[in-house]
Amino acid sequence: DAKTTQPPSMDCAEGRAANLPCNHSTISGNEYVYWYRQIHSQGPQYIIHGLKNNETNEMASLIITEDRKSSTLILPHATLRDTAVYYCIVRREDNYGQNFVFGPGTRLSVLP
Amino acid sequence: GAGVSQSPRYKVTKRGQDVALRCDPISGHVSLYWYRQALGQGPEFLTYFNYEAQQDKSGLPNDRFSAERPEGSISTLTIQRTEQRDSAMYRCASSLAGYGYTFGSGTRLTVV
Repeated sequence: DAKTTQPPSMDCAEGRAANLPCNHSTISGNEYVYWYRQIHSQGPQYIIHGLKNNETNEMASLIITEDRKSSTLILPHATLRDTAVYYCIVRREDNYGQNFVFGPGTRLSVLP
Repeated sequence: GAGVSQSPRYKVTKRGQDVALRCDPISGHVSLYWYRQALGQGPEFLTYFNYEAQQDKSGLPNDRFSAERPEGSISTLTIQRTEQRDSAMYRCASSLAGYGYTFGSGTRLTVV
């Protein structure tokens, strides 16, 4: 199973911050939190990942709670092109790969 | 290549026929993954390889599905005696060890 829980859908006004929550209460100490998104019929696209520290890149910020049982993906200024399904995944980071288990994700609609 | 390439982009086949789906990963990527995705759902893991070795095939639905990656680069997913329920988008992804995936554009399979 996916080991994460996300709301099925969210709306956000264009230009505002989109805050997408994810619960991962059973996360293990060696598991990272990954976020992907899928726009329409394209393949999933990597956004960001982290272990316990907050992370930021050109696409988004990832805030992980101190107990690591939940996280929030923040799109600081959402645009219409950010409308997509966002997947939160926990995965062990090792040198030999491990399949990502995708849940149903959160369908984010950015409204004009 | 610059990205993960999948062929064909679309495949329509008659029930009972065999199909072979091809994935050409990013050059140098160690791990290669196959997923399938039904409309409105997240990607469902099928199998993955590190180099030429199939590491996990637990997601293959039954013995009509098989995959190979004989030289550690291009991979083929084969479905024998196709059934209508096999219709889906089949997605391939590749990664360097320990990093996130890059997905291809997928092959949309329709069994009629």
